[in-house]
Amino acid sequence: AQSVAQPEDQVNVAEGNPLTVKCTYSVSGNPYLFWYVQYPNRGLQFLLKYITGDNLVKGSYGFEAEFNKSQTSFHLKKPSALVSDSALYFCAVRVEDSSYKLIFGSGTRLLVRP
Amino acid sequence: EAQVTQNPRYLITVTGKKLTVTCSQNMNHEYMSWYRQDPGLGLRQIYYSMNVEVTDKGDVPEGYKVSRKEKRNFPLILESPSPNQTSLYFCASSLNFGGNTEAFFGQGTRLTVV
Repeated sequence: AQSVAQPEDQVNVAEGNPLTVKCTYSVSGNPYLFWYVQYPNRGLQFLLKYITGDNLVKGSYGFEAEFNKSQTSFHLKKPSALVSDSALYFCAVRVEDSSYKLIFGSGTRLLVRP
Repeated sequence: EAQVTQNPRYLITVTGKKLTVTCSQNMNHEYMSWYRQDPGLGLRQIYYSMNVEVTDKGDVPEGYKVSRKEKRNFPLILESPSPNQTSLYFCASSLNFGGNTEAFFGQGTRLTVV
């Protein structure tokens, strides 16, 4: 079965420190991986995606993600966290069956303290 | 501005009273879908549509209906809502159903069924 796991419900980090939000996946076929962010009372906003090519993907707001095929991981990173980065983050994989749906992880709440 | 618009944003209703949540996108996207978001479960797909008059069930379709008479609109219909359909609902659209296309999400509809 295809799935996405985000092992941490919450990540706490101090402003200015690097942050990592973890994601592992299980898919058959090519993994099309995405990160989305959800701010309070807002919809999901696309951050970045991995399709093929470089394992380090750069996205919006200074975020990047590292694809690791051997570890089936796609961790979200940022070198220096901002208080405004505090939000709910979702990792997702698009399946290649007839639905082409996105399968989401359970989400990780990022809290950046001043 | 390119966007996915859902209405209403908030809705409280009683068990058994039919309701419709509207969704419209202005990006000429082919693929549209509905998700529900529940704590600890991430987002799960309810229904999807690959184009006009082409719809199919997602992972949690029970109690829901959809239609796609026009490319831009994809309403979600609850014929007889029940309390277990209390959730946060998101409409999403993608240019097509290719694996590498990101989804654009509406701002969400918070539904409470009492």
